[in-house]
Amino acid sequence: ETGVTQSPTHLIKTRGQQVTLRCSSQSGHNTVSWYQQALGQGPQFIFQYYREEENGRGNFPPRFSGLQFPNYSSELNVNALELDDSALYLCASSRGTGGWYEQYFGPGTRLTVT
Amino acid sequence: ELKVEQNPLFLSMQEGKNYTIYCNYSTTSDRLYWYRQDPGKSLESLFVLLSNGAVKQEGRLMASLDTKARLSTLHITAAVHDLSATYFCAVKTSGSRLTFGEGTQLTVNP
Repeated sequence: ETGVTQSPTHLIKTRGQQVTLRCSSQSGHNTVSWYQQALGQGPQFIFQYYREEENGRGNFPPRFSGLQFPNYSSELNVNALELDDSALYLCASSRGTGGWYEQYFGPGTRLTVT
Repeated sequence: ELKVEQNPLFLSMQEGKNYTIYCNYSTTSDRLYWYRQDPGKSLESLFVLLSNGAVKQEGRLMASLDTKARLSTLHITAAVHDLSATYFCAVKTSGSRLTFGEGTQLTVNP
C-alpha cells in the first residue's frame, strides 16, 4: 500500500449538489494529481496541484475545482453534480512535477450521483 | 492529443496458457507504466518502463517497451487465477500527467 489516503471511501449525492473529496499525500510529496475513473474506463486526468498552485488541467469543466494546502494535502470540489460524475476518484501524489517522479495512487473515493 | 490504445479489451484465458496484451500510443513519450486494478480497488503499480528496449519481469508477468514503434507489451506466462484483474497501461505526457488506456479485463479460468 502507498502512503496516500483519501476520504471518504464512498459517497452518495443527489444531482445538483456539491461534493468535496479529500486526499492526504505521501510524506515528502509536494504534488497531487486527481483522476476520474468512470465504470469500465481508464482513469482520466482532472488536474494537478504543485505547492498549492494548479499545475495543469485536463478536459474537465470549471465546476471541477481543487485546492492544495500548505501540508500538501488536497481537495477536489465538484459543483452542480451531474449523473455522469458518478465515478471512482483517485488522487496520486509524487515528489515533484517532473516526469521522472512516479505517482503513488490512493485507494479512491467512489462517488454515486442519483 | 495523446491517444493510448490497448488490445484486447477483454481476455478470457485458461490457466497455464500464455498471452500478450498490447498498448499502442500516438506520440513520443519516454516513460510507460503498467498497472493492475482489482474490482472496486485502486491502481497497483506493476512496471515502469523508461527507455527503448526496456524489459522488466515480475513473476508470470513481463513488460517491454519499443519507443520507436510506440508499443508496449505485457506478456503473461502460464496464467493462474490470481492474475484475473484489469490491466492498464499509462503514458507520461506533460509534467507528470498520465494518459491511460481503456484497460484489458483479464479473466483466467481453471
